[in-house]
Amino acid sequence: DGGITQSPKYLFRKEGQNVTLSCEQNLNHDAMYWYRQDPGQGLRLIYYSQIVNDFQKGDIAEGYSVSREKKESFPLTVTSAQKNPTAFYLCASSIGVGSTEQFFGPGTRLTVL
Amino acid sequence: AQSVTQPDIHITVSEGASLELRCNYSYGATPYLFWYVQSPGQGLQLLLKYFSGDTLVQGIKGFEAEFKRSQSSFNLRKPSVHWSDAAEYFCAVLASKIIFGSGTRLSIRP
Repeated sequence: DGGITQSPKYLFRKEGQNVTLSCEQNLNHDAMYWYRQDPGQGLRLIYYSQIVNDFQKGDIAEGYSVSREKKESFPLTVTSAQKNPTAFYLCASSIGVGSTEQFFGPGTRLTVL
Repeated sequence: AQSVTQPDIHITVSEGASLELRCNYSYGATPYLFWYVQSPGQGLQLLLKYFSGDTLVQGIKGFEAEFKRSQSSFNLRKPSVHWSDAAEYFCAVLASKIIFGSGTRLSIRP
């Protein structure tokens, strides 16, 4: 089955620690995205990548970093610089940036204690 | 600037009743519009999309939406809701990137 996987489903970290969220897709999509979701605020774009070895900041990139070494993978690191990291994180992919449809993974809920 | 507004934060309807979720957008050109649904703790699933042509679009799970350019609206409708429709619904517009509304949470009254 083609799709997007995110792991783990739930993640707990102590304050001050960096943490990396995994996102893998086997849809052969060029573009991948990371969103943050907080209650009542909808989805906010953190980073996106149009192609391997290239990525751009979204609306709320501060305190986050990404890499895109493989087409299938787009991991997100939440650094200790992110002031309020507890949130639900969604990864998505599309054929290309500006493509008409994004496909979403199941999400990772990060809780920083 | 492009934007999407979903004026209703939370709606409760009785099972079997009709549903309309409101969405207004701001975009200069002809928009590409979407409705997504999110069950608790899950990712988003595309319900339907509008690009051009017939302004009434049919989607999955019995949903439909109507594009009204004069009102800058793309409201989602369903004639009879089921308890399984309880979820959060997001309207979105494709500009240089996809812009999501803040969502409407739908609860179903038994």
